[in-house]
Amino acid sequence: EAGVTQSPTHLIKTRGQQATLRCSPISGHTSVYWYQQALGLGLQFLLWYDEGEERNRGNFPPRFSGRQFPNYSSELNVNALELEDSALYLCASRPDRVAFFGQGTRLTVV
Amino acid sequence: DQQVKQNSPSLSVQEGRISILNCDYTNSMFDYFLWYKKYPAEGPTFLISISSIKDKNEDGRFTVFLNKSAKHLSLHIVPSQPGDSAVYFCAANGVGSYIPTFGRGTSLIVHP
Repeated sequence: EAGVTQSPTHLIKTRGQQATLRCSPISGHTSVYWYQQALGLGLQFLLWYDEGEERNRGNFPPRFSGRQFPNYSSELNVNALELEDSALYLCASRPDRVAFFGQGTRLTVV
Repeated sequence: DQQVKQNSPSLSVQEGRISILNCDYTNSMFDYFLWYKKYPAEGPTFLISISSIKDKNEDGRFTVFLNKSAKHLSLHIVPSQPGDSAVYFCAANGVGSYIPTFGRGTSLIVHP
């Protein structure tokens, strides 16, 4: 069974640009979570999607947004990139109480 | 306001000895607790979990203990192996949202 897959693995963008990160959950999982791990910090909750709807969002500005598609895959969009958005972005899906993570997308803003 | 705290940023142990990683939480609504292991530039890997109705859960070399009255849990690794060297994250979630809330992690180094 394939795990959670994320693309791209690495992404380099210029300040002010937009970044789009993609996630495919484990087959059968309908919930997708997005987290940001900045250098020296833990995993900060960004967004939660379930059954195509945004269910909750963390303490991040509105330029962080996303969506979930009918096949439960998800997209995270970050607009007007700032240098401090450089981080590892992790996607997870879950069938019950345990979330399983992808390998992450390393976003570097220069 | 950190709801899940891992107060030790790092821990160093000798191969074959016990590693004990600690975690405290403040939110009384948390009723499910998880430990993840993470290597650099990779996603966290689920290790072991425990429900609040239990006080101990064991899986091979890994045992998690939960003390609800103290709002404290710990992960014991016995015996520790060099391959266990990684960052360990404690996480918790509550009924309803199931959004995992993570601590900042403890970096474990196991010396051969």
